[in-house]
Amino acid sequence: SQQGEEDPQALSIQEGENATMNCSYKTSINNLQWYRQNSGRGLVHLILIRSNEREKHSGRLRVTLDTSKKSSSLLITASRAADTASYFCATDGEYGNKLVFGAGTILRVKS
Amino acid sequence: DTGVSQDPRHKITKRGQNVTFRCDPISEHNRLYWYRQTLGQGPEFLTYFQNEAQLEKSRLLSDRFSAERPKGSFSTLEIQRTEQGDSAMYLCASSPERNTDTQYFGPGTRLTVL
Repeated sequence: SQQGEEDPQALSIQEGENATMNCSYKTSINNLQWYRQNSGRGLVHLILIRSNEREKHSGRLRVTLDTSKKSSSLLITASRAADTASYFCATDGEYGNKLVFGAGTILRVKS
Repeated sequence: DTGVSQDPRHKITKRGQNVTFRCDPISEHNRLYWYRQTLGQGPEFLTYFQNEAQLEKSRLLSDRFSAERPKGSFSTLEIQRTEQGDSAMYLCASSPERNTDTQYFGPGTRLTVL
């Protein structure tokens, strides 16, 4: 079963604009991760934020985590056409032995 | 570090046939995971191994599915008597013992059952 939901389901922006995706989850977590998936391919790990962290940066990515609201956001700044992909948040399972993914946000960056 | 590899990348089969997929994890990663992803959804956990021991199986893994990792290196996932509902992308991931938080995914095997 899916842990949570991403919002929006799909997002279309112009190159150079910022893209924000949100993720909600249901249970307590140790960490939350974001992955990218290009069409029909495997997932690429982007960033991990631990439950005691509120914000984390990596290059053009900024992730926030609000454990009181059980939600996270991923911001991609100065988007590029190559950022076109599906983005998934994933939380660790009850014993940290598996990842539980949301349904994903499809991002399209138009050049 | 050559990454996780999966074989085949695509498989088309007829309903009722058996299929087997292979996953080669990153060298020295002792954890190996299998996930299934259907169109428009995120991956769903199927099972995972620590070395050769299969430690957890999802309820999604019906008795038609079996996974092995006999020597603690590569793994195989077999589906017997395939059904059209088995059509999906099957993803393998691995993680090292020192950091099991992050999983590294392979390119997946796309199964189509006709």
